[in-house]
Amino acid sequence: LAKTTQPISMDSYEGQEVNITCSHNNIATNDYITWYQQFPSQGPRFIIQGYKTKVTNEVASLFIPADRKSSTLSLPRVSLSDTAVYYCLVGDASRRALTFGSGTRLQVQP
Amino acid sequence: DTGVSQDPRHKITKRGQNVTFRCDPISEHNRLYWYRQTLGQGPEFLTYFQNEAQLEKSRLLSDRFSAERPKGSFSTLEIQRTEQGDSAMYLCASSAQGPGDEQYFGPGTRLTVT
Repeated sequence: LAKTTQPISMDSYEGQEVNITCSHNNIATNDYITWYQQFPSQGPRFIIQGYKTKVTNEVASLFIPADRKSSTLSLPRVSLSDTAVYYCLVGDASRRALTFGSGTRLQVQP
Repeated sequence: DTGVSQDPRHKITKRGQNVTFRCDPISEHNRLYWYRQTLGQGPEFLTYFQNEAQLEKSRLLSDRFSAERPKGSFSTLEIQRTEQGDSAMYLCASSAQGPGDEQYFGPGTRLTVT
């Protein structure tokens, strides 16, 4: 399984754009990159998934360079409610078990 | 509410007792997963069902743990002879059969073993 490395924590202010980068140097050809969000006392929630280049949905954007050894989750104009832990996961889409790391704790200040 | 539900939300038990948790997945999802999460860590995979068949089990799932999914609907996770190290949040997730396999998580059951 590809190991992921992401910052332990980040701080931001309301209205700013937040970019969380995840390193996955030994990503395999069949691996996808998936990000989940988790609030305290809740289960994780799927945010976005991508394989290469850029993916955008109503919540976030995911940027993946050509070598796919890293990826960046971009949250536009964060609000206090975006304070959460964000997990970067890398794995074969056919593999059922998700492998979570320790995640990045994002704290959004007013 | 059509999300994943778990019961109970909290459970306090004494060491050595048995506990059982229940998970009701999203109705049209045929895949169901159990994870365990300790404080400050990401969830760790325990086991996976496709319909009623248990297809994968983690090494974390010791002999004291057993999971079932009769009739491919709800699932139960039982822990026998609980230990203090079993204290954690137990999360259930479900997914449909398809590419991408987005997993929808329930709110979890927080177990405290005293």
